[in-house]
Amino acid sequence: DTGVSQDPRHKITKRGQNVTFRCDPISEHNRLYWYRQTLGQGPEFLTYFQNEAQLEKSRLLSDRFSAERPKGSFSTLEIQRTEQGDSAMYLCASSLTGHQPQHFGDGTRLSIL
Amino acid sequence: GQQLNQSPQSMFIQEGEDVSMNCTSSSIFNTWLWYKQDPGEGPVLLIALYKAGELTSNGRLTAQFGITRKDSFLNISASIPSDVGIYFCAGQLDYGGSQGNLIFGKGTKLSVKP
Repeated sequence: DTGVSQDPRHKITKRGQNVTFRCDPISEHNRLYWYRQTLGQGPEFLTYFQNEAQLEKSRLLSDRFSAERPKGSFSTLEIQRTEQGDSAMYLCASSLTGHQPQHFGDGTRLSIL
Repeated sequence: GQQLNQSPQSMFIQEGEDVSMNCTSSSIFNTWLWYKQDPGEGPVLLIALYKAGELTSNGRLTAQFGITRKDSFLNISASIPSDVGIYFCAGQLDYGGSQGNLIFGKGTKLSVKP
């Protein structure tokens, strides 16, 4: 049984560039969540999907951020025109249903030069 | 963003000691979860609590869901070196039966006594 998989594990990019991260949830998990974690803090919610539908977005998710889950399986998170403040660990989690606990991947660490 | 109050922020353990940490909130949650995170990795689920007053164990770990639904604690008995890491509590919000995102504390960092 494979866990939540995220790619890439690390991304270094220049300010102003676009980046895209991928998350593969645990097989048959309907719920998929994105969180952001900065140093010394707990993860903060960004958005979540029920199958392919994006049901909730946080105030943290500015217009430069977009997430998709086109076939209800893997998801992508894109950040356009990256800024210094976007440097963080981006975590993906999945759960079987909304009432089941969320299981996290190992994250994508984004560094903006 | 909203976060839970988790204490202590950090603590040092000696092998064999028992450890306690807790989490409080001004909001009511229907689910409390405890995660452990090692450097460079994602949080790993330790215990999930679904009912007020519930006491659940997972090996040497015991967690309780507070009666007021605004707090939870985690105990680790007879600590071992691999218990070192950051422990996060998380409350899950429930919007009329459709549960969504987790609200996390800032973590309790467990280190080994020098």
